[in-house]
Amino acid sequence: DAKTTQPPSMDCAEGRAANLPCNHSTISGNEYVYWYRQIHSQGPQYIIHGLKNNETNEMASLIITEDRKSSTLILPHATLRDTAVYYCIVRAIHSQGGSEKLVFGKGTKLTVNP
Amino acid sequence: ETGVTQTPRHLVMGMTNKKSLKCEQHLGHNAMYWYKQSAKKPLELMFVYSLEERVENNSVPSRFSPECPNSSHLFLHLHTLQPEDSALYLCASSQDIQGYYGYTFGSGTRLTVV
Repeated sequence: DAKTTQPPSMDCAEGRAANLPCNHSTISGNEYVYWYRQIHSQGPQYIIHGLKNNETNEMASLIITEDRKSSTLILPHATLRDTAVYYCIVRAIHSQGGSEKLVFGKGTKLTVNP
Repeated sequence: ETGVTQTPRHLVMGMTNKKSLKCEQHLGHNAMYWYKQSAKKPLELMFVYSLEERVENNSVPSRFSPECPNSSHLFLHLHTLQPEDSALYLCASSQDIQGYYGYTFGSGTRLTVV
């Protein structure tokens, strides 16, 4: 069973913010939300991850709802190079070592238009 | 350049050939992974190594044989492949098997079996 639900595709205008939603209504307490993206014919690239607090780095911001059942990845000023498939992945990290492996779904195909 | 290097980038092989895919990382990571990405399908985890020991083998046919001689190198030996094995093969590494800080992927080897 898929742990996350993402829209199959989205469009965004260059220079505008891209807001990519992800539903993970069955998320449990030790599961983190990870975001990766895959530009055509390249390997996936780690973007950001979080547990319950909002996170920001040089690539993006991650907003997680208070009930943790959904999240949004925000690319503040999308460029043409941000066109990619974006994957939202929920995985457990165990405090005693070990964790769930990274399992990819179908993701959201984001197209940034000029 | 991500720090994970895969060679060759492209490979065409006959069904009776033997070939090997190579992955190298100099990030100081202790865990390494092989993924397969077939056309229009999500990435599939094939093998997981932690400190050079195989810790996961996801029901992969024996015609795929991984080898991890040290923590910096990972190989995927191929023998008697089928046309349906044509895919993008991706190598990844993480700091440790927990992968809290994310996985770093290579650019992949595009394999065509004829």
